[in-house]
Amino acid sequence: SQQGEEDPQALSIQEGENATMNCSYKTSINNLQWYRQNSGRGLVHLILIRSNEREKHSGRLRVTLDTSKKSSSLLITASRAADTASYFCATDGGSNYKLTFGKGTLLTVNP
Amino acid sequence: NAGVTQTPKFQVLKTGQSMTLQCAQDMNHNSMYWYRQDPGMGLRLIYYSASEGTTDKGEVPNGYNVSRLNKREFSLRLESAAPSQTSVYFCASSEDPGGRSPLHFGNGTRLTVT
Repeated sequence: SQQGEEDPQALSIQEGENATMNCSYKTSINNLQWYRQNSGRGLVHLILIRSNEREKHSGRLRVTLDTSKKSSSLLITASRAADTASYFCATDGGSNYKLTFGKGTLLTVNP
Repeated sequence: NAGVTQTPKFQVLKTGQSMTLQCAQDMNHNSMYWYRQDPGMGLRLIYYSASEGTTDKGEVPNGYNVSRLNKREFSLRLESAAPSQTSVYFCASSEDPGGRSPLHFGNGTRLTVT
């Protein structure tokens, strides 16, 4: 069963706009991670945020975590066509051994 | 750096045939994983190896076996392939088990079972 669920399932925006994706999960976590997958490729790690952190930045990416609401968001600012990909959140469900992925948000950035 | 290398990239099997998917990492990572990705289902964990010498079942282990051959290599075997095993298979590795460190993924093996 999926621990994390991304919302929306699909998002289409224009180049230069910001994109926000959300992830909700069911059980307590130690860490939450975000990944990107370009079509036909493996997943690439973007950001890891720990349960005691509320916000983390990496370049144009901003991740927030609200453990009281069991949710996280990924913000991509000033999007580019190259950001077109599927984005997944992954949680450990409190386990130290397994990482469970959501079904992903398909982001399309139109030039 | 090669990272995580999966072979083969594509495979077509007939129902009942067997095959082994190979995975090797050159990052000296302790943990390795096998996931399958199906449309609309996201990634589901088949088996994982938290460290060399250990393997454990994930969410969907039925019909699969694994071998952690050494620290670098983690193979996935389908003993008797079924059409339900048509999927894209991803191998991944991480320095630490579970969610404590990032996973590094290979580019996948696309398997079709007819």
